[in-house]
Amino acid sequence: QKEVEQDPGPLSVPEGAIVSLNCTYSNSAFQYFMWYRQYSRKGPELLMYTYSSGNKEDGRFTAQVDKSSKYISLFIRDSQPSDSATYLCAMSDWADKLIFGTGTRLQVFP
Amino acid sequence: GAVVSQHPSWVICKSGTSVKIECRSLDFQATTMFWYRQFPKQSLMLMATSNEGSKATYEQGVEKDKFLINHASLTLSTLTVTSAHPEDSSFYICSARREYGTSGGSSYNEQFFGPGTRLTVL
Repeated sequence: QKEVEQDPGPLSVPEGAIVSLNCTYSNSAFQYFMWYRQYSRKGPELLMYTYSSGNKEDGRFTAQVDKSSKYISLFIRDSQPSDSATYLCAMSDWADKLIFGTGTRLQVFP
Repeated sequence: GAVVSQHPSWVICKSGTSVKIECRSLDFQATTMFWYRQFPKQSLMLMATSNEGSKATYEQGVEKDKFLINHASLTLSTLTVTSAHPEDSSFYICSARREYGTSGGSSYNEQFFGPGTRLTVL
């Protein structure tokens, strides 16, 4: 079993839709949870950073962490074509080593 | 702020040659940098942790004699792929850790990623 599981997609939605992206994990020691956006042939860009459980909102993006279920989510409201990218979840314990999910490819069509 | 650059962005080389990739933190100092490898449609896999002034720490299965890492300054880490072979063709991405202090005396850090280097070995 992988430490971090993420559905690779692709996920195709119309412009304006609410997008839900999810990851599950097995290591209960993970404390830091991140979502990165990666455009084709580019490095990842940090979108959201959450410590421990709870919700965090930033503009159209909301990150949720449920440590009891070992489940994290990223919601994108009012999705735009420019949101089309691969979204990677990543997590770590106290040691800085990031464990990434495989990434979910999102396509938002006009 | 928090910009990380990589050079070159794309390199093609012949099998058996060595290739050096640079990772620079442009507007902050990074005592720790990380090197990742990403194959098509796969996730980022950590190869090694690079610490300024000391030896790099390699992940299990990564050959330290093949992937030489040097972190000679607080803003530069280099990855040299020695005697490259076609199976080394991949997207290599570095990240630099930036540390922040808070008014309460605690600290936290974030990793900022470079744009990646695409290596093609013929």
